[in-house]
Amino acid sequence: AQSVTQPDIHITVSEGASLELRCNYSYGATPYLFWYVQSPGQGLQLLLKYFSGDTLVQGIKGFEAEFKRSQSSFNLRKPSVHWSDAAEYFCAVGGNTPLVFGKGTRLSVIA
Amino acid sequence: DTAVSQTPKYLVTQMGNDKSIKCEQNLGHDTMYWYKQDSKKFLKIMFSYNNKELIINETVPNRFSPKSPDKAHLNLHINSLELGDSAVYFCASSETGTPNYGYTFGSGTRLTVV
Repeated sequence: AQSVTQPDIHITVSEGASLELRCNYSYGATPYLFWYVQSPGQGLQLLLKYFSGDTLVQGIKGFEAEFKRSQSSFNLRKPSVHWSDAAEYFCAVGGNTPLVFGKGTRLSVIA
Repeated sequence: DTAVSQTPKYLVTQMGNDKSIKCEQNLGHDTMYWYKQDSKKFLKIMFSYNNKELIINETVPNRFSPKSPDKAHLNLHINSLELGDSAVYFCASSETGTPNYGYTFGSGTRLTVV
């Protein structure tokens, strides 16, 4: 069965520091991978997606993610975090079945 | 132009009541979904539906039923509400049943059962 693990429940970073959010997946076929962001009281916004091609994908708001098949990982990165990036981040995997989400990582940003 | 809209945004109701949440998308997508987000922020698929097939997550109680009057709408009806049904419910849509382009989510309906 497909599953997603986000090992970090909560991460705190300083504004301007770099960020990496971890995601590991289990999927029986070629995975389609996604990162979504949820601000407080809001719906989920798609940051980026991967389904084929270049394993380093660029998304909105300066985020990028790298697909590593050998590690079953799809980690999200940002070189310099802004206070407005504070939110909940979800990794998701799917193919021809509905997306399965990880439990999310809450990002806090301090001055 | 709201792509996926849900109403109401907040819903407070008593145990035992029956309620509906409405969802509409104007993206021309073929498939719609309902997800439940619990108090720990965990998102779990409840239903996926296109004009050919309804797929129900087997863990969803049969008190929950999706109703689709047309391709642009997928409403969620809940009978005999229980305290454990309190959660945020998200509607989403995608093209042609694949997640290739990702889902577009509504802003959610916070249901509180008292």
